[in-house]
Amino acid sequence: EVQLVQSGAEVKKPGESLTISCKGSGYSFTKHWISWVRQMPGKGLEWMGRIDPSDSYINYSPSFQGHVTISADKSISTVYLQWRSLKASDTAMYYCARRADNSGLGGWSDTWGQGTLVTVSS
Amino acid sequence: EIVMTQSPATLSVSPGERATLSCRASQSVGNDLAWYQQKPGQAPRLLIYGASTRATGVPARFSGSGSGTEFTLTVSGLQSEDFAVYYCQQYHNWPPWTFGQGTKVEIK
Repeated sequence: EVQLVQSGAEVKKPGESLTISCKGSGYSFTKHWISWVRQMPGKGLEWMGRIDPSDSYINYSPSFQGHVTISADKSISTVYLQWRSLKASDTAMYYCARRADNSGLGGWSDTWGQGTLVTVSS
Repeated sequence: EIVMTQSPATLSVSPGERATLSCRASQSVGNDLAWYQQKPGQAPRLLIYGASTRATGVPARFSGSGSGTEFTLTVSGLQSEDFAVYYCQQYHNWPPWTFGQGTKVEIK
């Protein structure tokens, strides 16, 4: 079974750093890009960026460039999303998602992690 | 950046009836459009890709149509499990891939 399993919920203070993770299983991890998607409370989905786990090539949405860092460790089939200095406005659910199309340009995601809730509050 | 606009924001439908959801792109995305369903407390679920291809396991009552800038998701014979929020997403021009703001389908 193809699965993405994310790390657990986090409660942090403004200014703190944080890394959350997304571990893939049940498929060839390096053959499918992984994206991160933000969902603020009561709001819609926002694509943050994606990584190709085979070579760690990354694209960020302009809205998130410079605010977060995406990385991967293909040896353990895991992708990460990192903040150096959290803000209250980073409070949201974060999903990782696997791009289904591993050979073309298709950008739809067929498998999603369960989500990681990040709460930033003083 | 391509802006995706969904309408209506909320759709009230009786069980067994048809729901028609719209998604408009600010510029042509060809057929590079996906639809997702999200229920409260759950991750999104892929329904449609390529504007009209149902994902694996998606019931035939879900259908997608359109191309260019105008797209439609139709749910025929709404069942109780279909009441949810639906998002469209374009993957034609990126980064970024962009989502619509969602349409909530609620019980009338």
